[in-house]
Amino acid sequence: GAGVSQTPSNKVTEKGKYVELRCDPISGHTALYWYRQSLGQGPEFLIYFQGTGAADDSGLPNDRFFAVRPEGSVSTLKIQRTERGDSAVYLCASSLTGQGLDEQFFGPGTRLTVL
Amino acid sequence: DAKTTQPTSMDCAEGRAANLPCNHSTISGNEYVYWYRQIHSQGPQYIIHGLKNNETNEMASLIITEDRKSSTLILPHATLRDTAVYYCIVRALADYKLSFGAGTTVTVRA
Repeated sequence: GAGVSQTPSNKVTEKGKYVELRCDPISGHTALYWYRQSLGQGPEFLIYFQGTGAADDSGLPNDRFFAVRPEGSVSTLKIQRTERGDSAVYLCASSLTGQGLDEQFFGPGTRLTVL
Repeated sequence: DAKTTQPTSMDCAEGRAANLPCNHSTISGNEYVYWYRQIHSQGPQYIIHGLKNNETNEMASLIITEDRKSSTLILPHATLRDTAVYYCIVRALADYKLSFGAGTTVTVRA
């Protein structure tokens, strides 16, 4: 079946621009997560959605980062006034319930490059 | 603060067993040991998890020491496609987020 998909796969933008990264979770998964992975490091948690609401956004680095999931399915990560330090791979994952020992299924990521 | 310690890298021969160690000396009684791997240009993939008993599935085996302070992931017959970064993660039942460290870069050589 279809896994988690993310678009675009690559995004190059200029410093100061606004970008949107999209995540399509596995159908029926109520939990959705965003992680960020810098070169040579493991993924770092950004935000967790349970349904339409952000249950934990403690990993968002600052107020330039925002994410939505209006219908409890597709999610968009939005970055305003991008900075070179935002360059990374942004990973999305989904899981069935977000509770217990739910397995998280990851997408391939969006590689963001800020020039 | 890192909850797990893994070697930075290791090589193994194709067709041989690969044994990946992980130290988690501060693990709590309600925390599980999880393993994920990340093949180049892909997202992390779940491999296996365990609490205190050894576990086996179609991908790997997980051996957890009796004191639970360390564990070993075993890939029984490594193939070139097993080349990846392997992450050992300690996770409590209530943890919805995964805390990845730097992992072990495993290179399987022909």
